[in-house]
Amino acid sequence: KAGVTQTPRYLIKTRGQQVTLSCSPISGHRSVSWYQQTPGQGLQFLFEYFSETQRNKGNFPGRFSGRQFSNSRSEMNVSTLELGDSALYLCASSLASQGKADTQYFGPGTRLTVL
Amino acid sequence: GNSVTQMEGPVTLSEEAFLTINCTYTATGYPSLFWYVQYPGEGLQLLLKATKADDKGSNKGFEATYRKETTSFHLEKGSVQVSDSAVYFCALAGYSSASKIIFGSGTRLSIRP
Repeated sequence: KAGVTQTPRYLIKTRGQQVTLSCSPISGHRSVSWYQQTPGQGLQFLFEYFSETQRNKGNFPGRFSGRQFSNSRSEMNVSTLELGDSALYLCASSLASQGKADTQYFGPGTRLTVL
Repeated sequence: GNSVTQMEGPVTLSEEAFLTINCTYTATGYPSLFWYVQYPGEGLQLLLKATKADDKGSNKGFEATYRKETTSFHLEKGSVQVSDSAVYFCALAGYSSASKIIFGSGTRLSIRP
C-alpha cells in the first residue's frame, strides 16, 4: 500500500505570495491532519479534515486554510506569506474512528522557504 | 490544556549503551501516548504507542510504559545502535480529539560507533 504523499517536496516563495500544498492520504484513510514544524516552535497542529469537513483546528491565523476533496486528498493554503511561515509542513492520514487514537501515518513533508 | 514535556537534547551515547529519554505529560482524562521518530530528511514514523494506563508499547527494541500515577511515558532501549540516531518525539492525543496530536519538543539522539 502506498504511503502518504505530499507535493511539492520543496517550495520557495516570497513574502506576500500565497502557496498551496497537497497531500494524498493512504488509500482508505478518511482523515487528514496538517502540522507545521519549525526549529523554534516544534511540531504544531494546524487542522484536521474528515469527510470534507474541518473537524479540529489549531491556533493559527486565518491565513492558513485547508480543504478536503471527496477522494480524501487534501490541500492547505497559506495566503500573504510571512518570513515566519518558513517551515516543514507535514501531512498525516488515519482511519480516524471517532474517539479512538488511530495511528497517524505521516508523509515526508513539504519544505517551504519564504524569502 | 494538554501538553508534553520531554528531555532536552542532544543526547550522545556510545553504541550498545542503555537509553532513556524522559517524557511527562499533562492532560485531562485518559489520553493515548506515542513515541514518534524522525530520521534525517524524513517525515515522522510511529515508533510505539500505549492507549491506557499500565500499557507497555514496544517496537524495534524500544519500550515505554504508560504511567498514570507519575504522568510519564519514558522511552527506553537496552542497547542502542548507530542506526538509532534520529530525533524522538513524545506525543499525546486526547479522547475527544484523537487526530490532534500534541508533540513534545523532540530529543536529538546521536550514537557513536
